[in-house]
Amino acid sequence: DAGVIQSPRHEVTEMGQEVTLRCKPISGHNSLFWYRQTMMRGLELLIYFNNNVPIDDSGMPEDRFSAKMPNASFSTLKIQPSEPRDSAVYFCASTRLAGNNEQFFGPGTRLTVL
Amino acid sequence: SQQGEEDPQALSIQEGENATMNCSYKTSINNLQWYRQNSGRGLVHLILIRSNEREKHSGRLRVTLDTSKKSSSLLITASRAADTASYFCATPLGSNTGKLIFGQGTTLQVKP
Repeated sequence: DAGVIQSPRHEVTEMGQEVTLRCKPISGHNSLFWYRQTMMRGLELLIYFNNNVPIDDSGMPEDRFSAKMPNASFSTLKIQPSEPRDSAVYFCASTRLAGNNEQFFGPGTRLTVL
Repeated sequence: SQQGEEDPQALSIQEGENATMNCSYKTSINNLQWYRQNSGRGLVHLILIRSNEREKHSGRLRVTLDTSKKSSSLLITASRAADTASYFCATPLGSNTGKLIFGQGTTLQVKP
C-alpha cells in the first residue's frame, strides 16, 4: 500500500500566485481531510469530504481557499491568491468510514509564500 | 475549543526514563487515539483505546482511559532518543463522521 500521496512536497511561491496542492488517498478510503499546521496555531482542520462530498468547510480560513474532490482517488486544495500568512505545512489524511476513524496522514506539503 | 487538551506541552527526559503525557476531552467518546509526529513528517497512528477499555498496551506504550474524568494518559517506558517527537491525542466527533478532534500535542525530547 502506497499510503496517502501528496504533491508537491515543497512549494515556494510569491505572494499573489495561485497554489494547488494535491492528494491521493489510500485506495478504499472514503473520507478525506485537509489540515494545516503552523507553530503558532498547531494542527487545524480545514475541510473534509465523505464519499467525495464536502461535509464541513468551516475551517477554511477565507474565500481564497477552495477544495475539490472530483473522484474517490484525488483531491485538490487551492489558494488563490496566496499570501505570506498562508505559509505552513498542509497535510492530507484519509480514513474508512464505519471503521475506528484511524486517520492515515500523507507526508505533507511545505508551502512558503514570499 | 479543542476537544482534546494535553499536558505537558513539552517534556524533556533522559534516555531510559519513562515519559507520561496526559489528555483531557470534553464530550462522550467511543474511542480515543494517540498519534506521533516526527519532525517534518505526517502524524502516525500509535494506539487506540475504546471507551469500554481502561488500559491498553502496545510494546513500550501503555495507554489508560478514565471516562469518568474524561482523561487519558500515554506512558512510554524505557524511552529512547528515537521517541523524540510530538504526541497528539484525538477523539472522534460524533458517530461515523470520520472526523477526529486533535489536541495541541506534547513535544517530547529524549536526550541520549
